[in-house]
Amino acid sequence: KQEVTQIPAALSVPEGENLVLNCSFTDSAIYNLQWFRQDPGKGLTSLLLIQSSQREQTSGRLNASLDKSSGRSTLYIAASQPGDSATYLCAGASNSGYALNFGKGTSLLVTP
Amino acid sequence: GAVVSQHPSRVICKSGTSVKIECRSLDFQATTMFWYRQFPKKSLMLMATSNEGSKATYEQGVEKDKFLINHASLTLSTLTVTSAHPEDSSFYICSARNPSGTSADTQYFGPGTRLTVL
Repeated sequence: KQEVTQIPAALSVPEGENLVLNCSFTDSAIYNLQWFRQDPGKGLTSLLLIQSSQREQTSGRLNASLDKSSGRSTLYIAASQPGDSATYLCAGASNSGYALNFGKGTSLLVTP
Repeated sequence: GAVVSQHPSRVICKSGTSVKIECRSLDFQATTMFWYRQFPKKSLMLMATSNEGSKATYEQGVEKDKFLINHASLTLSTLTVTSAHPEDSSFYICSARNPSGTSADTQYFGPGTRLTVL
């Protein structure tokens, strides 16, 4: 079973800063990795999906990378804004079943 | 992105009653749906994998007779919490996997259902 760890657990930055959220996973035979955003009391919004054959994916100010050999993924947020404040979850799917194993998330606060 | 709906969004019930939660994929056919639960300030824990037309696969420690899952069509899966007790109070979230197209394999999540058992 895929074990997923996210560091840091919480992060506070001033508006405009670039930041990196880290995710590590135990099984290098990962099928895909997905980054989500969750606002308080709400469901999950999919941000980026990286297939095992890919190294990175980009969407707007977001860039996610995947390094299977080291068991790491990073989510890079450029020019952070207060609206980016949320919990960011990393989740990996193993080769079978496609079910996602989630990290505990990084709670991000971007201050004006 | 694709839309997955859940109903109800919030339910309060008495201990011993059963509660049904619906999960619908609105703009794609989902052969596989997943049910997760999330405790306060914790991450999501997979409960079961729901495959259309077959029995659900439950994770270790999840009682299949307590959490009944039905995936009768490619756009609808239901989770029924039977004889609910206060310890079942949680945030239940479903997801649907898009099996095709440019977003293949992406899981889209519903908005969640907050269950409170008194």
